[in-house]
Amino acid sequence: EVQLVESGGGLVQPGGSLRLSCAASGFTFSSYSMNWVRQAPGKGLEWVSYISSSSSTIYYADSVKGRFTISRDNAKNSLYLQMNSLRAEDTAVYYCARNLGGVIVMVYWGQGTLVTVSS
Amino acid sequence: SYVLTQPPSVSVAPGKTARITCGGNNIGSKSVHWYQQKPGQAPVLVIYYDSDRPSGIPERFSGSNSGNTATLTISRVEAGDEADYYCQVWDSSSDQGVFGGGTKLTVL
Repeated sequence: EVQLVESGGGLVQPGGSLRLSCAASGFTFSSYSMNWVRQAPGKGLEWVSYISSSSSTIYYADSVKGRFTISRDNAKNSLYLQMNSLRAEDTAVYYCARNLGGVIVMVYWGQGTLVTVSS
Repeated sequence: SYVLTQPPSVSVAPGKTARITCGGNNIGSKSVHWYQQKPGQAPVLVIYYDSDRPSGIPERFSGSNSGNTATLTISRVEAGDEADYYCQVWDSSSDQGVFGGGTKLTVL
């Protein structure tokens, strides 16, 4: 059974940093590209970032480019999102999602971790 | 950047057919994927590549895509289909994922 479990969320002050993790199990993690998607309270889904299976290709949404860094450790079956210079508008539930192979179709999702940026 | 437009809400009686649209410039040239999200839960993929269904998704869910509009069709709607539905594409011109604003499906 595919499982994705996010962690690392919490309350952080504006301008602060946070690192999210996503632990994957039930599939060969190194064979699949991954995404981070977020959802602000009461709002819709927003794609945040993509990383290919080998980390050779990385993409970011304009809203986070230059502040967030996606990475993965295939040996540890883990996906990460380093978030710096956080703003109030980054407050959201952050989901990690596995793609259909290399194609950006988000087949499996974690339950999400809440990030709150507030003073 | 590429924009996807969905109606905020759609209402349908049980047993009837619901159609949720997703508008975008020449969206017919892109692959459209649809997600269902119930309150407090993570999204679930219900249609990918315009019209393919993942295993476990009822045949009542179908999709189409042509011109400037993609459509998710839910036949014989049940109370359990009440949820938010999002369309999604990959914008290769900007190398970014794009979601529609979401449509709340209400079963009357």
